[in-house]
Parts: sequence; structure tokens; C-alpha cells
Amino acid sequence: EAQVTQNPRYLITVTGKKLTVTCSQNMNHEYMSWYRQDPGLGLRQIYYSMNVEVTDKGDVPEGYKVSRKEKRNFPLILESPSPNQTSLYFCASSLTGGTTEAFFGQGTRLTVV
Amino acid sequence: GQQLNQSPQSMFIQEGEDVSMNCTSSSIFNTWLWYKQDPGEGPVLLIALYKAGELTSNGRLTAQFGITRKDSFLNISASIPSDVGIYFCAGQLGNSGYALNFGKGTSLLVTP
Repeated sequence: EAQVTQNPRYLITVTGKKLTVTCSQNMNHEYMSWYRQDPGLGLRQIYYSMNVEVTDKGDVPEGYKVSRKEKRNFPLILESPSPNQTSLYFCASSLTGGTTEAFFGQGTRLTVV
Repeated sequence: GQQLNQSPQSMFIQEGEDVSMNCTSSSIFNTWLWYKQDPGEGPVLLIALYKAGELTSNGRLTAQFGITRKDSFLNISASIPSDVGIYFCAGQLGNSGYALNFGKGTSLLVTP
């Protein structure tokens, strides 16, 4: 089954404790991205990757890092999480950057206390 | 990213009613998309529009790409309880701009 898998689904952590949210897709897609969803703000892009070893900032990249060492994986790293990063995070992938159909993961609800 | 204005913010309707929501932008997009997000899930693509003036249907859903390329609407006819969710519009510049610019969403509640 074609899917985008995020882990964990839920995470509560403390300020400053480094964490990684994993994302994996099994569709051989080139383009992957991370979004955060906040009430009243919709979905905002954090980082995206056009292909292996190619990443770039989205609209709200501050406080986040990503890496793309393999095509299927695109982890989101919070080196020193802060409470304003409490949010619902979605990973998405599409065949290419120009492809419109993006497949989304089920989301990771992160709470930073 | 580009700012999209989506309205209404929320709708509370009875089963069987028709629904209409729209999205406007100050920028021109080459592609307009409509997504639905069920509670606890990620967004799923409903309809994609690629040409100004295009009118596309998917079952009870109909969406149009505005002539000016700065707006789009989504209609749902004869709503049913499973239509409940958040609907997002998204615009994509295409060519040099691949990011999806999302509206803030329309939350739809349908009562039996």
C-alpha cells in the first residue's frame, strides 16, 4: 500500500531536549516536505527536499533542521525545542516537485512543555 | 509563501444542504487544489485544477479555477455526515514554484 509514515504520532517533550520526527514514503517520490498546522493558520511549509541531498527552507524554517540522505526518508529535527513549536506536523511527498498530488502522513502531534 | 484567503472559516449545516466555499489570492497561480482533512488524519486531495476557467467534478464535489487565476471555489451538493472535516484550498505557482500555498481551511459540520 502506497503511504507516508510518520513516527511518533504523539510526543510530549521538555524545552531544549533534542528530538527527531521520522518520515518515510514507499512510493519512490522525489519531492518531500514538512508542514506544521496551527489553529487559524492552516498548513505552513517548514522545509522541503527536491531529491536526495537537496533541501531548502519553506516559510517557517526557524528552529528546525532536515536531512535527505536516502530517497525514502526525510526526518525533521528539533535541536532545542521550544513551546512555540507545539503543533501538529505533517510530512508529505509527491512524485516530483511539479506534481500536484501530495500524499500526506497521518501527522505528529508535538507538545513542548 | 503566498497569502490565500479562504472563506468561510466554518460552516454548520444540515444533511442534504449544498455547501460552497472559496479561496482568493493576491497572486496568480497555475494550479488550484482542494484538500479534505478528516479528524486525526492528514489532508487528502479532492480535486486539482490546471487551467483558468476549468470546472471539474468529483462525485458530489465541483470546483472551478477562476478566470483571473486568483480564485477558486468548491461546491458540495447534497451534503452527508461523512463530509465533516476541514477543507483546504491550495495554490501552486508551478514551474519555478513548487510549494503548495494553503488557505487557512473551512471547517464543515453536518448534522443528520
